[in-house]
Amino acid sequence: DAGITQSPRYKITETGRQVTLMCHQTWSHSYMFWYRQDLGHGLRLIYYSAAADITDKGEVPDGYVVSRSKTENFPLTLESATRSQTSVYFCASSEGGELFFGEGSRLTVL
Amino acid sequence: AQSVTQPDIHITVSEGASLELRCNYSYGATPYLFWYVQSPGQGLQLLLKYFSGDTLVQGIKGFEAEFKRSQSSFNLRKPSVHWSDAAEYFCAVGFSNTGKLIFGQGTTLQVKP
Repeated sequence: DAGITQSPRYKITETGRQVTLMCHQTWSHSYMFWYRQDLGHGLRLIYYSAAADITDKGEVPDGYVVSRSKTENFPLTLESATRSQTSVYFCASSEGGELFFGEGSRLTVL
Repeated sequence: AQSVTQPDIHITVSEGASLELRCNYSYGATPYLFWYVQSPGQGLQLLLKYFSGDTLVQGIKGFEAEFKRSQSSFNLRKPSVHWSDAAEYFCAVGFSNTGKLIFGQGTTLQVKP
């Protein structure tokens, strides 16, 4: 089916481990985004990408790394996970200013 | 700095009653305006959007929103709430057509039978 697919949907890891959240879109949208959702904060932008090989920081980029070698994929890596990175992560792509979201990846860091 | 405020963290209404969720933004020009809804454990679904033109916009599920430039507001309304409308609602603003949005903190809607 067309759309945005995130994997894994659920992940439990330990402090200090590296974690990669995957995001794949089938629309060929130019822009892609990673948001994190935390109680009381709504959604906050971590990183975004305007095209393959073009990425930029959002509001809360510290502790995260992204890459975009192909238009359809936009993985998010936590190089050394911390408890404060326990959150629900949403990937999105955009067309004409409107965001289309994946179903989210719930990450717990113990 | 650009910001979005949803003053009501939690709202409870009776089924069949009318609903208004408030949203205010801080920005010098007219932004792109959105309302999204999120059911528990789900992603966000677009309810409606305003880019330009008629300031009263209609969305899905019987929702509408009105852009008031003088008040920097984009409040969401529904004349008669259904139990299935219980969810979290997010207002968002964008300042270009890139899709880079700033979200409010969200309003949780509870519907009483």
